[in-house]
Amino acid sequence: KNEVEQSPQNLTAQEGEFITINCSYSVGISALHWLQQHPGGGIVSLFMLSSGKKKHGRLIATINIQEKHSSLHITASHPRDSAVYICAVPGGTSYGKLTFGQGTILTVHP
Amino acid sequence: DAGVIQSPRHEVTEMGQEVTLRCKPISGHDYLFWYRQTMMRGLELLIYFNNNVPIDDSGMPEDRFSAKMPNASFSTLKIQPSEPRDSAVYFCASSLGSAGVRNEQFFGPGTRLTVL
Repeated sequence: KNEVEQSPQNLTAQEGEFITINCSYSVGISALHWLQQHPGGGIVSLFMLSSGKKKHGRLIATINIQEKHSSLHITASHPRDSAVYICAVPGGTSYGKLTFGQGTILTVHP
Repeated sequence: DAGVIQSPRHEVTEMGQEVTLRCKPISGHDYLFWYRQTMMRGLELLIYFNNNVPIDDSGMPEDRFSAKMPNASFSTLKIQPSEPRDSAVYFCASSLGSAGVRNEQFFGPGTRLTVL
């Protein structure tokens, strides 16, 4: 089974700060997913990446396959970035499904 | 496309009652997933289907839970009888292919279930 660990579990920042959320997994994968969930809201896929780096606006995701580690960065954070960020990897009892980290609760204060 | 559609959005019921949650995946998607999210356990996969066939139901908590996908555009998750510990948000998601082959999953808005 692929174990997924995220850190930190909770993160508080001031508007404008640079944010980093980390994700480590135990078994080699084909791709890693980063998801975002706003309070009381649905879940949105932010990134799916298998190597290197991806950027979307102020969000950047990186992955190191050899080290089994990924990071999600938010530049110039804003209160609207406050959400739960979840990383997920394929694997578990079957290859076709995702295993999720416990999530990182991010709060950005104005 | 309207995205993944779930109904109802909120459900409040009493212990012992039957609960049916519904999901319409994105047209053309071959995979459908049912998830449960709680504060204690986070997001957990209950069951997933490929081409309407259940592939992995190892996450289904017990016999009180059942899921069906009679056709490519509709799935149900049923709890009978419901218990207070079933209170959670239930998400449905769909994807073009397997999670193991780099396919993005699209989530529905969720159904918030409260069992009194």
